[in-house]
Parts: sequence; structure tokens; C-alpha cells
Amino acid sequence: EAQVTQNPRYLITVTGKKLTVTCSQNMNHEYMSWYRQDPGLGLRQIYYSMNVEVTDKGDVPEGYKVSRKEKRNFPLILESPSPNQTSLYFCASSSIPPYEQYFGPGTRLTVT
Amino acid sequence: GQNIDQPTEMTATEGAIVQINCTYQTSGFNGLFWYQQHAGEAPTFLSYNVLDGLEEKGRFSSFLSRSKGYSYLLLKELQMKDSASYLCAVRVSGSNYQLIWGAGTKLIIKP
Repeated sequence: EAQVTQNPRYLITVTGKKLTVTCSQNMNHEYMSWYRQDPGLGLRQIYYSMNVEVTDKGDVPEGYKVSRKEKRNFPLILESPSPNQTSLYFCASSSIPPYEQYFGPGTRLTVT
Repeated sequence: GQNIDQPTEMTATEGAIVQINCTYQTSGFNGLFWYQQHAGEAPTFLSYNVLDGLEEKGRFSSFLSRSKGYSYLLLKELQMKDSASYLCAVRVSGSNYQLIWGAGTKLIIKP
């Protein structure tokens, strides 16, 4: 089954404690992207990647890091999480150019 | 700057027709997408327009006018399961394939 998986689905953590949210796709897609979604603001792109070892900043990259060492995986790293990073995070993938994006189920992160 | 505008919320009646508008001002244009998102779930793809005109897909149609920076999503024969948020997104031109998203329109269907 074609899918994008994210882990964990829910995470409560404390300020400053480094965390990683994993994202994996099984569709051999070149393009992968991370979004955060906050009430009233819609989806905002954090980082995206056109292929292995190629990443670029989206609209709100501050406080986040990504890596693309393998085509299927695109982890999101928060080196020192802060409460303003409390949000719903989605990973997505698609073929190039970004056409229909397939989204993961989302990760709800709370930073206290 | 880059901007996409959609109404925040709309209400419609089961069985009726509703049109959700999206206007955009972006640095270049290379395609417009509509996604549906049910509460608590991930967005799912509905349609893609890159040329002017109407694209029909069952009960859903999407229209684009590039000269006006305008698109709409038309939903016919509304069903209760169509209650969801509808997201408009524009792919801007250039080598970075950046996507700009609207805040979404929450559609409420009443019996």
C-alpha cells in the first residue's frame, strides 16, 4: 500500500529537549516536505527536499533541521524545542515537479 | 509578498451546490491545487489546474483564471461527508518548486 508514515503520532516534551520526528514514504518519490499547521494559519512549509542530499527552506524554517540521506526518509529535527513549536506537523511526498502530494497522518507535538 | 485568500468558513445545505473561492498573489505561477482535509486528518488531493478553464471530476470541479489570480472549487450534490476544510495552494514558478498555502475554508453542511 502506497503510504507516508510518521512517528511518533503524539509527543509531549519539555523545552530544550532535542527530538526527531521520522517520515518515510514507499512510493519512490523525489520530493518530500514538512509542514506545520496551526489554527487560522493553515499549512506552512518548514523545509522541503527535491532529492537525496538536496534540501531547501520553506516559509518557517527557524528552529528546525532536516536531512535527506536516503530517498525514502526525511526526518525533522528540533534541536531545542520551544513552546511556540507546539503544533500539528505533516510530512508529505510527491513526484517532481510537486504534483499530487501524499500526506502522512500527522504528528501532534506539545512543548511545555 | 505572497498571499492566498480564501473565506474562513461557509455553510451549505445537503444536496445543494457550493462554490469556494481562492484568490492569489504570488511571485510567478506554476499550478494551483485543491485539497480536502477532514478534522483531525491529513489533507487529501482533490484537483490540479495549470491552464485556464474548468476541470471536472465527478461532483467536484475546479476553475482557474490566471489573469485574474483566481480559482474556485465547485461542489455539487453536497453530502454530509463533504463537511471538511478545503485548502487552496499555489506552486510558484522557479527552480525551488515552493508551495504557498491558503488558510483553508471550513465548509459546514447542514441537513
